[in-house]
Amino acid sequence: GENVEQHPSTLSVQEGDSAVIKCTYSDSASNYFPWYKQELGKGPQLIIDIRSNVGEKKDQRIAVTLNKTAKHFSLHITETQPEDSAVYFCAATPQAGTALIFGKGTTLSVSS
Amino acid sequence: EAQVTQNPRYLITVTGKKLTVTCSQNMNHEYMSWYRQDPGLGLRQIYYSMNVEVTDKGDVPEGYKVSRKEKRNFPLILESPSPNQTSLYFCASSLVVYSPLHFGNGTRLTVT
Repeated sequence: GENVEQHPSTLSVQEGDSAVIKCTYSDSASNYFPWYKQELGKGPQLIIDIRSNVGEKKDQRIAVTLNKTAKHFSLHITETQPEDSAVYFCAATPQAGTALIFGKGTTLSVSS
Repeated sequence: EAQVTQNPRYLITVTGKKLTVTCSQNMNHEYMSWYRQDPGLGLRQIYYSMNVEVTDKGDVPEGYKVSRKEKRNFPLILESPSPNQTSLYFCASSLVVYSPLHFGNGTRLTVT
């Protein structure tokens, strides 16, 4: 089955720096790759997603890139702010009729 | 307000005492799912439902039951809870399987 690996598990940056989180997946049939942000005491919330027919997608300070050949995708956050501090999860959907498989999460800390 | 509502938020129980965690969504979503979140293991899927009366096992279904009698409700049942089911549980829903998941705020379960 699908396996999603996420790195790093923790990431500390200074306010204003960029942060990059990387994920690899095993199932070449996967075609939907969302990213979720989880703040303390809350459920994960979708921040951006990408489908396999697109190589890059951007939404203000966040962007996701997808390399289907290498089977990896990355989350890029520019000009980080303290409110970006949270746990971030990547995920992949292996095939129709099954569910999202999540990475183990990255705890991002942005210090001012 | 569009949301996924889980109850209770916190639950402490003893081994073997049957319990139900309720989940309700008001977005007319077809797809619903239960996840458990454990430190270092990320989010793992327990059960999911593609539509009313259609449910299927996720990665960690042992010890759990679900039902989907109505589109909006997807309760999680622990017939005989054990301490290894102590965890943070999330219910989620989406319009269809490949669309963004909306999560509830979680239920923290402790089984002693």
